[in-house]
Amino acid sequence: QKEVEQDPGPLSVPEGAIVSLNCTYSNSAFQYFMWYRQYSRKGPELLMYTYSSGNKEDGRFTAQVDKSSKYISLFIRDSQPSDSATYLCAMSYNTDKLIFGTGTRLQVFP
Amino acid sequence: NAGVTQTPKFQVLKTGQSMTLQCAQDMNHNSMYWYRQDPGMGLRLIYYSASEGTTDKGEVPNGYNVSRLNKREFSLRLESAAPSQTSVYFCASTPGGPVGVVRAFFGQGTRLTVV
Repeated sequence: QKEVEQDPGPLSVPEGAIVSLNCTYSNSAFQYFMWYRQYSRKGPELLMYTYSSGNKEDGRFTAQVDKSSKYISLFIRDSQPSDSATYLCAMSYNTDKLIFGTGTRLQVFP
Repeated sequence: NAGVTQTPKFQVLKTGQSMTLQCAQDMNHNSMYWYRQDPGMGLRLIYYSASEGTTDKGEVPNGYNVSRLNKREFSLRLESAAPSQTSVYFCASTPGGPVGVVRAFFGQGTRLTVV
């Protein structure tokens, strides 16, 4: 079993929709939870991160962590065509190792 | 600032050939990483270097070697390329430490095809 599981999609939604992206994990030692966005043929870039449980909001993006369920989510409100990309979750446990999910491809159509 | 620079951007190798992928960062980061990205597999860690002078194996180290040449540079070597190593390779760097690791900066990737 992979340490981090993520539905690869693709997920196709109309502009303005609320998007929910999710990851599950098996290692309860994970402390830091990150979301990266990767445009086609580019390197991933950090979108936002949270420490331990709870929510974090940044503009149209909200990250949630539920450590009791080993489940993290990224919500995108008022989705735009420019949000079309692959979204990767990543986690670490107080070391220098980053473990990534497989990524979910999102397509927002006008 | 260039951030993380990878060379080359594209490469085609024949089976059995060797090559070195170069990576340099100009952010004074302590930790550097090599990942490969394959369809449906996500980013898989090959090797990482938590600090200058140290390297550690990741999830898929077989067939690869690395060198942390100095704080700026971290190279990945394929000694005898195999078709299974056809992939997109990403180098990344972070400030290091449990908090710094969340802020990974990635290069643009090297698309490697082994025929």
